[in-house]
Amino acid sequence: SQQGEEDPQALSIQEGENATMNCSYKTSINNLQWYRQNSGRGLVHLILIRSNEREKHSGRLRVTLDTSKKSSSLLITASRAADTASYFCATDGAAFGNQFYFGTGTSLTVIP
Amino acid sequence: EPEVTQTPSHQVTQMGQEVILRCVPISNHLYFYWYRQILGQKVEFLVSFYNNEISEKSEIFDDQFSVERPDGSNFTLKIRSTKLEDSAMYFCASRRDRAGGYEQYFGPGTRLTVT
Repeated sequence: SQQGEEDPQALSIQEGENATMNCSYKTSINNLQWYRQNSGRGLVHLILIRSNEREKHSGRLRVTLDTSKKSSSLLITASRAADTASYFCATDGAAFGNQFYFGTGTSLTVIP
Repeated sequence: EPEVTQTPSHQVTQMGQEVILRCVPISNHLYFYWYRQILGQKVEFLVSFYNNEISEKSEIFDDQFSVERPDGSNFTLKIRSTKLEDSAMYFCASRRDRAGGYEQYFGPGTRLTVT
């Protein structure tokens, strides 16, 4: 299966702390994308990192990609209560046709 | 900023009934998708659509499902005879291109409840 797997499954931190979530996948990819989902709501695209990139920043978000280990991490710095949500990685692999594979997600709770 | 829209936001239907979920992808996008998320579970791919035909479908997308782009703007998912296990959030997504740098934009979802 191409599906990504995030860890931890759940993470609880204090406001102001950094949150790190990891994603592992199984085969080669074109890119990897991170999404946020608030409870019962839609998916919000956060950041895309291509297979030839190793690190990318967007505001308080930092994403790394290690294709040799088939893993990615999402770091949220200086977390806020509003960051409370589930975070998913999704892999886009040409070998698997025209679809994304989503991981199981990390549920992040930021305590004010 | 352009966005994917979906209607209705919530659909309640009785088992065995047909439902049509509607999506309006972003106007200059060429690739369209449907995903499903059962409560508390991961997002699962159903089908992708390009150039007026299905380009890929998952094993979930069986004969009771169909998709259509009836005009230049709408993209629909039809479930012919709903089952209880079809209760889920259904997300539509669109993408400008298949090239590696293009992200999928998701709609807000339709919550389908089958009773």
